Amino acid sequence: NAGVTQTPKFQVLKTGQSMTLQCAQDMNHEYMSWYRQDPGMGLRLIHYSVGAGITDQGEVPNGYNVSRSTTEDFPLRLLSAAPSQTSVYFCASIRGTGGSYTFGSGTRLTVV
Amino acid sequence: AQSVTQLDSQVPVFEEAPVELRCNYSSSVSVYLFWYVQYPNQGLQLLLKYLSGSTLVKGINGFEAEFNKSQTSFHLRKPSVHISDTAEYFCAVSGRNNQGGKLIFGQGTELSVKP
Repeated sequence: NAGVTQTPKFQVLKTGQSMTLQCAQDMNHEYMSWYRQDPGMGLRLIHYSVGAGITDQGEVPNGYNVSRSTTEDFPLRLLSAAPSQTSVYFCASIRGTGGSYTFGSGTRLTVV
Repeated sequence: AQSVTQLDSQVPVFEEAPVELRCNYSSSVSVYLFWYVQYPNQGLQLLLKYLSGSTLVKGINGFEAEFNKSQTSFHLRKPSVHISDTAEYFCAVSGRNNQGGKLIFGQGTELSVKP
């Protein structure tokens, strides 16, 4: 099992550019989430999904879109990147409530 | 909705000394509680979790935590730390009401173990 796979690992964007951060899991987990990590602020929830076709906003959803067409994939889209979106992004999945979350290795995004 | 407050942003301690990292939470529903560790330039690793039952939870690397419902706390402890415990520690909470995927983290505590 690969677990949770995030691509790319590093990315530099110019302000206003768009991109998609990919997240895939092969554990048949129903729940998936996206977080951003910034110094001194811990991990903040961006969006989460409780199953294919169902997504909801987290703590900091502005500037990000998600969709979940399959159980395995949960891409995060930045429509118009801003320097404030410079961060490390983590994707996570879990089979059911109370289980252990599995995290990807992260994507380090810099917006210049 | 849930929220988590880690009461110390940095905790310096000498090797072989005991340590406590404090975590308080707020929630309108019953919760599951977690502690994660992040070593420099690495991802997150689960230390321990409280789901139900005994309020004293033992985890990996000699860490343990105690769930206190009346004080809404979930403090992490280790009786004797090592240099290798230097890392950032995160407390997290999720609601029991089928909100899988909605794990809320605290701001983190940097544990620095000095020789």
